[in-house]
Amino acid sequence: AQSVTQLGSHVSVSEGALVLLRCNYSSSVPPYLFWYVQYPNQGLQLLLKYTTGATLVKGINGFEAEFKKSETSFHLTKPSAHMSDAAEYFCAVSLSGNTGKLIFGQGTTLQVKP
Amino acid sequence: EADIYQTPRYLVIGTGKKITLECSQTMGHDKMYWYQQDPGMELHLIHYSYGVNSTEKGDLSSESTVSRIRTEHFPLTLESARPSHTSQYLCASSRSKTGGGETQYFGPGTRLLVL
Repeated sequence: AQSVTQLGSHVSVSEGALVLLRCNYSSSVPPYLFWYVQYPNQGLQLLLKYTTGATLVKGINGFEAEFKKSETSFHLTKPSAHMSDAAEYFCAVSLSGNTGKLIFGQGTTLQVKP
Repeated sequence: EADIYQTPRYLVIGTGKKITLECSQTMGHDKMYWYQQDPGMELHLIHYSYGVNSTEKGDLSSESTVSRIRTEHFPLTLESARPSHTSQYLCASSRSKTGGGETQYFGPGTRLLVL
């Protein structure tokens, strides 16, 4: 069965510091991986996704993630945090086959301190 | 910009009332989904649809029901609301893609409070 684990339910960084949000997945087949962001009182917005090809994926707002098959990881990074990055971040894996269904991690709340 | 809408955004209602949460998308997506999300928690899939007249229950058991009579519309109904139904409900849609990996687009959500 596929699953997603996000290490750290809360991450706090200073403005301008590196952002690193961790995600590990479990899948018996090559997965499709996603990062979504959720701002307060809003739905989820896609940051980036990995399907095939290049393992370093660039997304919106300066975020990127690297698919590492050997580590079963898909960590999200941003070189320099902005106050506007404060939000909830969800990692997700797409189920094998063509269902379109996603399995979400527990989420990580990013706090950015001035 | 994804065009998926949910109404109402906020709903406070008494126990025993029947409620319908609306979800509409204008992208012509064939697949639609309903998720339940408690504060600070992950999303749990409660219903999904692969197309008109197709509905399936998700991984989290729910007393709600759904219908898909039109491609663009996927309403969720609770026949008799209870305080345990208090949660945020998120609707999403996606277009089928050969081989998978399709992106789900989310609506803004409905926050439901049952007193």
